[in-house]
Amino acid sequence: DAGVTQSPTHLIKTRGQQVTLRCSPKSGHDTVSWYQQALGQGPQFIFQYYEEEERQRGNFPDRFSGHQFPNYSSELNVNALLLGDSALYLCASLQNGEDTQYFGPGTRLTVL
Amino acid sequence: EDQVTQSPEALRLQEGESSSLNCSYTVSGLRGLFWYRQDPGKGPEFLFTLYSAGEEKEKERLKATLTKKESFLHITAPKPEDSATYLCAVHENRDDKIIFGKGTRLHILP
Repeated sequence: DAGVTQSPTHLIKTRGQQVTLRCSPKSGHDTVSWYQQALGQGPQFIFQYYEEEERQRGNFPDRFSGHQFPNYSSELNVNALLLGDSALYLCASLQNGEDTQYFGPGTRLTVL
Repeated sequence: EDQVTQSPEALRLQEGESSSLNCSYTVSGLRGLFWYRQDPGKGPEFLFTLYSAGEEKEKERLKATLTKKESFLHITAPKPEDSATYLCAVHENRDDKIIFGKGTRLHILP
């Protein structure tokens, strides 16, 4: 049973650039959430996608946007990168209507 | 304001020395409480989901319990491989949001 996968594993960008991170949900899951985790902090909710639409959003600026595809995979896009965007970006998936979400290994983004 | 607070921030134990981690929460309504284990640089690994006060769940050396205001993760006779950060998260009813605590960094000395 394939778990949640994310790509790339690591990424280095410079300020002002744009980045796209990718996520494939666990088999049988149709809902994907994205989180940002700064060093020493708990994950912070960015947004959730279900049926190819953003269903919920956390307290993040519009520079953070996403997309969900018909196969339930998802992308997170961040524009105009800031130094403070450096973090571990986590994708989590679940089956709509259930409560427990499962996380991928994360993408480590470094902004220089 | 909805909050999830974990204590202690860090804990060092000798191998075999049992202890408990605390997660206290203030939310308008609890839909579920989750415990995850996270190794450095990795994604959180699911451990338990608890739904109502009095509920308990066990897995190997770990046992999670829930009251109306807090949850405990009890670690019995820990081993060095139990060293990790343990995260607590609460799914609250009003806004249907999941809020994470900052975690407890656990280090088990051999």
